[in-house]
Amino acid sequence: KNEVEQSPQNLTAQEGEFITINCSYSVGISALHWLQQHPGGGIVSLFMLSSGKKKHGRLIATINIQEKHSSLHITASHPRDSAVYICAVHRNNDMRFGAGTRLTVKP
Amino acid sequence: EAGVAQSPRYKIIEKRQSVAFWCNPISGHATLYWYQQILGQGPKLLIQFQNNGVVDDSQLPKDRFSAERLKGVDSTLKIQPAKLEDSAVYLCASTLGGLGELFFGEGSRLTVL
Repeated sequence: KNEVEQSPQNLTAQEGEFITINCSYSVGISALHWLQQHPGGGIVSLFMLSSGKKKHGRLIATINIQEKHSSLHITASHPRDSAVYICAVHRNNDMRFGAGTRLTVKP
Repeated sequence: EAGVAQSPRYKIIEKRQSVAFWCNPISGHATLYWYQQILGQGPKLLIQFQNNGVVDDSQLPKDRFSAERLKGVDSTLKIQPAKLEDSAVYLCASTLGGLGELFFGEGSRLTVL
């Protein structure tokens, strides 16, 4: 079993919809990252969080340390949000990545 | 601020040949990572450097992969000899240290025929 599980694997939404991507992990962590990867492009860090909630524009990330769970929300989704969203957990000097959630937002 | 630079962006080789990838992290970033990302999967750590020392290379297939960061700045990752299953994107990332934000390069896409 992967230490970092993301759901769903694939997600298709209509423009304007509210989107939630989930991440569950099975190990103790010091921080969790949400990353965005566009086709053919590099990876961009969206959030790094160790507790509570962070917001940046239309993106919101939350984490529940006790439940070992994090969510990434996108409000008013747009086709340019189409990408792979990756959850990664940071523990000690170690990073473990989820397999990613492929989001497609249709106009 | 210049980002993480990687080269080459693309490389096609035949199996049993060798290949080398280069990474120049963001200036001042002590921690450098090499990841392998196979299509449809998340990145997998190959090796982590702290300055010029290796922190973690437990998942590096040492019979064919090697990496160095001699002066604690740029780094090279070598594969020799390459196998078909090495076809992947090789990502370099750096952080200032500790729990800092991760910065990734564009990646080097390797195709082994």
